[in-house]
Amino acid sequence: DSGVTQTPKHLITATGQRVTLRCSPRSGDLSVYWYQQSLDQGLQFLIQYYNGEERAKGNILERFSAQQFPDLHSELNLSSLELGDSALYFCASSVVPGANTEAFFGQGTRLTVV
Amino acid sequence: GQQVMQIPQYQHVQEGEDFTTYCNSSTTLSNIQWYKQRPGGHPVFLIQLVKSGEVKKQKRLTFQFGEAKKNSSLHITATQTTDVGTYFCAGTSGNTPLVFGKGTRLSVIA
Repeated sequence: DSGVTQTPKHLITATGQRVTLRCSPRSGDLSVYWYQQSLDQGLQFLIQYYNGEERAKGNILERFSAQQFPDLHSELNLSSLELGDSALYFCASSVVPGANTEAFFGQGTRLTVV
Repeated sequence: GQQVMQIPQYQHVQEGEDFTTYCNSSTTLSNIQWYKQRPGGHPVFLIQLVKSGEVKKQKRLTFQFGEAKKNSSLHITATQTTDVGTYFCAGTSGNTPLVFGKGTRLSVIA
């Protein structure tokens, strides 16, 4: 158990809908990362937060948004869903952002868009 | 932007054979990390390399960081069925977030 909690574990929704994925980081970790894992596409970095502030942005679509709350949990909002958004979404946390800090991953949320 | 390439994409080995996966970055890295993801699981941190030319060992696993800090390798000696999974390298440059390679999926045939 990494200490990072993601909910829900599975989500099935229709195209055009909006969903929210939730992540609670490890106790004491201030930085949260979101990654998308599609089949054979590795882990695509979406966005990073540190202590409530957006720190870095990756290949995140405009239809996607995220935030980190004062209690440090984070939510990833995906809207106007398309079939291609079906993927495994991982949240990871670390003590501080940047180099020399390992990331602890949650179990992931498997999103299926039908 | 920074890119991390990993080869091979897939590797099938007989149990007892050795296995190596290679990682190359388009830019000089501050450090490189290796993760393992078991089938159906999530990535789990294995190790971090920071120094140029660094070599670290974990039992049957040997990790190397290139002299130019742009490439790395993971070598597993005498693979076992418990080694099955996808191995990812991930690098950072300065304070950039971890950029992951696409991973090498290892299958071990008993």
